Amino acid sequence: EAQVTQNPRYLITVTGKKLTVTCSQNMNHEYMSWYRQDPGLGLRQIYYSMNVEVTDKGDVPEGYKVSRKEKRNFPLILESPSPNQTSLYFCASSSRVGNQPQHFGDGTRLSIL
Amino acid sequence: EDQVTQSPEALRLQEGESSSLNCSYTVSGLRGLFWYRQDPGKGPEFLFTLYSAGEEKEKERLKATLTKKESFLHITAPKPEDSATYLCAVQEPGGYNKLIFGAGTRLAVHP
Repeated sequence: EAQVTQNPRYLITVTGKKLTVTCSQNMNHEYMSWYRQDPGLGLRQIYYSMNVEVTDKGDVPEGYKVSRKEKRNFPLILESPSPNQTSLYFCASSSRVGNQPQHFGDGTRLSIL
Repeated sequence: EDQVTQSPEALRLQEGESSSLNCSYTVSGLRGLFWYRQDPGKGPEFLFTLYSAGEEKEKERLKATLTKKESFLHITAPKPEDSATYLCAVQEPGGYNKLIFGAGTRLAVHP
């Protein structure tokens, strides 16, 4: 079954404690992306990756890092989380060929106290 | 700045009461417009892609249409299981798959 898998699904942590949200896809997609979803704002892109070792900033990259060492994995790193990063996060992937739809994971709800 | 605006923000329908959701956009050189459905606690689920004005796509009780400045998602004779948030996203011109999302329309269909 084609899937984008995120872990953890829920996390409550404290300001300044480094955390990583993992994302893995089994569709051999080149393109992967991270979004955050906040009430009334829609999904906003944080970072994206066109392929292994190729990443770039989206619209709201401040406070986040990513890496793409393998095609299937695209972790999101918060090195020093702050309360304004409390949000619902989604990882997505798609083929680069044509205008293919992005497939989304089920989300990670982060609460930074 | 490219923008996507969805209306209404929330919509309550009785079962069988048809209606339409609107997505207006200001992106120039649109590469594609996508509709997604999002259930609580889930990620967006792809419904349709539209590429050019005049195009229409259908799936069960849903039909999506596209003009040069907006898209409509028509829901015919909805059922309670159609209750969800419907998201519209546009793909910007350029060499990568960036999507700009609207804030969504929360649809509640009551029996």
